[in-house]
Formats: sequence, structure tokens, C-alpha cells
Amino acid sequence: GAVVSQHPSWVICKSGTSVKIECRSLDFQATTMFWYRQFPKQSLMLMATSNEGSKATYEQGVEKDKFLINHASLTLSTLTVTSAHPEDSSFYICRWGHTNTEAFFGQGTRLTVV
Amino acid sequence: KQEVTQIPAALSVPEGENLVLNCSFTDSAIYNLQWFRQDPGKGLTSLLLIQSSQREQTSGRLNASLDKSSGRSTLYIAASQPGDSATYLCAVHNTDKLIFGTGTRLQVFP
Repeated sequence: GAVVSQHPSWVICKSGTSVKIECRSLDFQATTMFWYRQFPKQSLMLMATSNEGSKATYEQGVEKDKFLINHASLTLSTLTVTSAHPEDSSFYICRWGHTNTEAFFGQGTRLTVV
Repeated sequence: KQEVTQIPAALSVPEGENLVLNCSFTDSAIYNLQWFRQDPGKGLTSLLLIQSSQREQTSGRLNASLDKSSGRSTLYIAASQPGDSATYLCAVHNTDKLIFGTGTRLQVFP
């Protein structure tokens, strides 16, 4: 399967600071990628869909000004959690691929805001 | 709105047992269904992908079936091993989104 690299794997930050998570596909290119988050003992919930070169589409209830997505190229996307608060503590994971083909995920980032 | 449910939520079995994990979805208009494995604090590992036109897929000790009309899929794990302990997630591709089930936490003890 495809290789997707996500960094960092875990991060602890102070409340009010911003955190950037990077997601890179290593062996293929795709115009579309997705960001999910997973709260403890819950399933993955889609946060946003982004296409290279255009603005991301956010799911209902996800603040676009808080979760900034930069889809820089066909192989790189970043998610920045701005002014993080403890309720943003979660597991964030990226997914590359076209909408209805096999999905490949990054390793995930465990964010803890203290 | 597509909803995906997995039963059981948790399962604990002795090594060697054959297992069946269930996944159901409310909207049968799907492109495909994918089963994943997630280890604690880790990302997702794709196990099997079944296209909407297919009935089943097999990989090693894993076999997944799909009955699109009834909105069901099962993941069969043969001769379970302690290394199979993880959370198993099913997900359906519905229009342009991948919708995840609630997961089944599996523990296989020696």
C-alpha cells in the first residue's frame, strides 16, 4: 500500500499556542486529502477535505479559523491547530487518496493541550 | 445520512478461536467498504477493501464479506492469535466521504 508520513507522532503544548501537523505522501501524488480526529474511545470523524490549490471544505461543527489547512502540493498538507485549548486534545490523522479508492492513512498525531 | 455500526463493541477470546466481527450501514449506495486495524495510539492499517460489486475479499487468515443490499459486512478472523489484539474499524465510502464505524476492540489472550 501507499506510504503516508505524518509528523509529529505526539505533541504536548500549552493552552493558547499553535501546533502544526504535517502529512506527506511518500510514493504517490493525489489532489485530495482528508483530516480526521479521534477522541478517546470514539471512532474517527472527518474534519475537512482539501484539494491542492483550493480552500478546504470543513465538516459541520469544525471551525475553519481554528483548524488551518494548507494543501501545499500533491504530496504535502499541513494542519495547524491555532490557539489550542484542552478540549482540542485528540488524535489527529490524515488520509490521502481519491474519494472512492483504497484509503491510506498517516500514523496519526496525539495532541495534548495542557 | 450514512451511519455505520459495529457489533460487538468489545470482544475477548482465547487464542485459536475463529471470530466474526460485524459491520452494518444504513445507506446501501456505497462505492466500497474497507476494514482497518488500529493499535492503541497508532494510525490505521488497511486490511481489506471490498468494492461494491464484490461479495468478499480474502487475505491470509482474514476474510471479509459484503452484502450491500442488506447493508452488512463481516470480517472473519481464523485461528486468532494474541497479535490480532487491536481495534478493528470498518468504513464505507459514501459519495465523497469515508464514514467510520464505532469499532470493535478485540483482545486475544494466550
